[in-house]
Amino acid sequence: EIVMTQSPATLSVSPGERAILSCRASQSFSSLAWYQQKPGQAPRLLIYAASTRATGIPARFSGSGSGTEFTLTISSLQSEDFAVYYCQQYHNWPLTFGGGTKVEI
Amino acid sequence: QVQLVQSGVEVKKPGASVKVSCKASGYTFKSYDFTWVRQAPGQGLEWVGWISSADNDNRKYAQKFQGRVTLTTDTSTTTAYMELRSLTSDDTAVYYCARDRISAVGSPDVWGKGTTVTVSS
Repeated sequence: EIVMTQSPATLSVSPGERAILSCRASQSFSSLAWYQQKPGQAPRLLIYAASTRATGIPARFSGSGSGTEFTLTISSLQSEDFAVYYCQQYHNWPLTFGGGTKVEI
Repeated sequence: QVQLVQSGVEVKKPGASVKVSCKASGYTFKSYDFTWVRQAPGQGLEWVGWISSADNDNRKYAQKFQGRVTLTTDTSTTTAYMELRSLTSDDTAVYYCARDRISAVGSPDVWGKGTTVTVSS
């Protein structure tokens, strides 16, 4: 099983600042997705294949990395971006998620 | 537009079974697979299983649910189902169905709103 580790667990950021979220995998691959989840809502796909923005996702969200180290960058945080972010690998079974990073004000 | 509409809240007793439905619309059903994920209260996302809409015999389950969960799809009604048996309080969670991106197994892009399952005596 591929173990996904996200850091930090909580990130305190001011609106307009940049946020950098990390995801580390126990094996190497490129099949990585990032999701945003707000309270009471389903996850929303932001990034797939490590760096491709999903349809309708603003350009301030960007994904990078390869192998075992991945990063989600939010260039200038908007009020609607405060949420929990999860990384997920779909390289092999079982699918696994990171524990999440909460981005708070 | 693409939509996944899940069935409503369920309250079950320990040892019972639950069957959650996920009605799909707005796209060609058999062209996309389904991933199921659950989220216990205050916890992260946990993968439950995956099923091919074109071939129901092509399924994968998380080890911890093997023998207790069955995923199916019905192309005539464009509905996916998840049945979980022998429920315990640890199964209390929101269960999500999600449609995979085309030709991207295990990479969902459209999610249902979730079905809350509560297991309590």
